[in-house]
Amino acid sequence: AQRVTQPEKLLSVFKGAPVELKCNYSYSGSPELFWYVQYSRQRLQLLLRHISRESIKGFTADLNKGETSFHLKKPFAQEEDSAMYYCALNGNQFYFGTGTSLTVIP
Amino acid sequence: DAGVTQSPTHLIKTRGQQVTLRCSPKSGHDTVSWYQQALGQGPQFIFQYYEEEERQRGNFPDRFSGHQFPNYSSELNVNALLLGDSALYLCASTLDKGAEGIYEQYFGPGTRLTVT
Repeated sequence: AQRVTQPEKLLSVFKGAPVELKCNYSYSGSPELFWYVQYSRQRLQLLLRHISRESIKGFTADLNKGETSFHLKKPFAQEEDSAMYYCALNGNQFYFGTGTSLTVIP
Repeated sequence: DAGVTQSPTHLIKTRGQQVTLRCSPKSGHDTVSWYQQALGQGPQFIFQYYEEEERQRGNFPDRFSGHQFPNYSSELNVNALLLGDSALYLCASTLDKGAEGIYEQYFGPGTRLTVT
């Protein structure tokens, strides 16, 4: 079965602290993994994808096939990072996790 | 470019009724996907349309059907509405790049459907 798990529904960190949003997946083939973000009163938008191996807004995510994880990390959280974050997998269809609400405390 | 647009914004229907939701893709995009997002959940894939055909389908009953028009816009139809169909319905568009795949989905603001 194909599945995306985000174990934390809520996550709070202080401004300037490191942040890590966890994502684990289950997929039998070679997955395409993504992180989507939804800021308050805005629509869902792509943050980054594993094949790009790029850093967007200071965020990075590494695909770990051994641990079947795709955790999102940022070394120094900013207040504007407060948002809802969804991990997603593109297998034979798109699967989204249940999301993690990140709050950065000033 | 207004991006992906959806109509209506909100809708209230009674159990057993039928509903049609509409989506216009981002300019230049040819592929439309529909998602259902229940409260507190991530979006769940319903189906995807490309070249006016349903190309992929998620685990949704036949009460959920769709259509894509020659101008790439799309409709989602839900028959015999149930209380559990109350959700935010999202439309996303992409450009099919053939062997490169289609990855960057642009989402619309959604249609909030309430079934009473």
